[in-house]
Amino acid sequence: EPEVTQTPSHQVTQMGQEVILRCVPISNHLYFYWYRQILGQKVEFLVSFYNNEISEKSEIFDDQFSVERPDGSNFTLKIRSTKLEDSAMYFCASSPSGQGPYGYTFGSGTRLTVV
Amino acid sequence: AQSVTQLDSQVPVFEEAPVELRCNYSSSVSVYLFWYVQYPNQGLQLLLKYLSGSTLVKGINGFEAEFNKSQTSFHLRKPSVHISDTAEYFCAVSDFTSGTYKYIFGTGTRLKVLA
Repeated sequence: EPEVTQTPSHQVTQMGQEVILRCVPISNHLYFYWYRQILGQKVEFLVSFYNNEISEKSEIFDDQFSVERPDGSNFTLKIRSTKLEDSAMYFCASSPSGQGPYGYTFGSGTRLTVV
Repeated sequence: AQSVTQLDSQVPVFEEAPVELRCNYSSSVSVYLFWYVQYPNQGLQLLLKYLSGSTLVKGINGFEAEFNKSQTSFHLRKPSVHISDTAEYFCAVSDFTSGTYKYIFGTGTRLKVLA
């Protein structure tokens, strides 16, 4: 079964540093998403991306965050200057359509620890 | 806006006993509903989903859930739990109100199966 692949599985970074989280969506999918889960809390939507632009972002997704599809296979989330409160599990997801749940698949996550 | 309520933050249950994890959602339109499981330090795994049709949905690992439109509930059940079912369980509802298809998650229920 096709998978969404996220790397690294765990990343530790110093406060103020830039970090890039990487995702390889399922190859024929067109819609891409990032979600965040702060330890012990619920999973929250960050941003959706389609046709090389952001289609929706939550209030969490401020100017410190950016997303990019630098080539035909990767989808990245960049945090420009990390803060302690950015420590969380970040999940990437992709779907073939933006209309419904069919094929909507989550990756296994990247645990970001900011020290 | 859509929301999901999981009233029980923790549910302890003895091995081989039945369990029910409660989920209520708020929506005035048709919804898709999901249950995900998260084992310690792992990603999200889809347990089951309700898209349409029969209100009783069967998933993996012996879990099932019943969609009740009049009570806006989607409770998860298992007739006999195992130690290996110890995990965090998240209920989620689809949301398309702002033009992007995304998931709204509940705060999770930690199921602890006792020997």
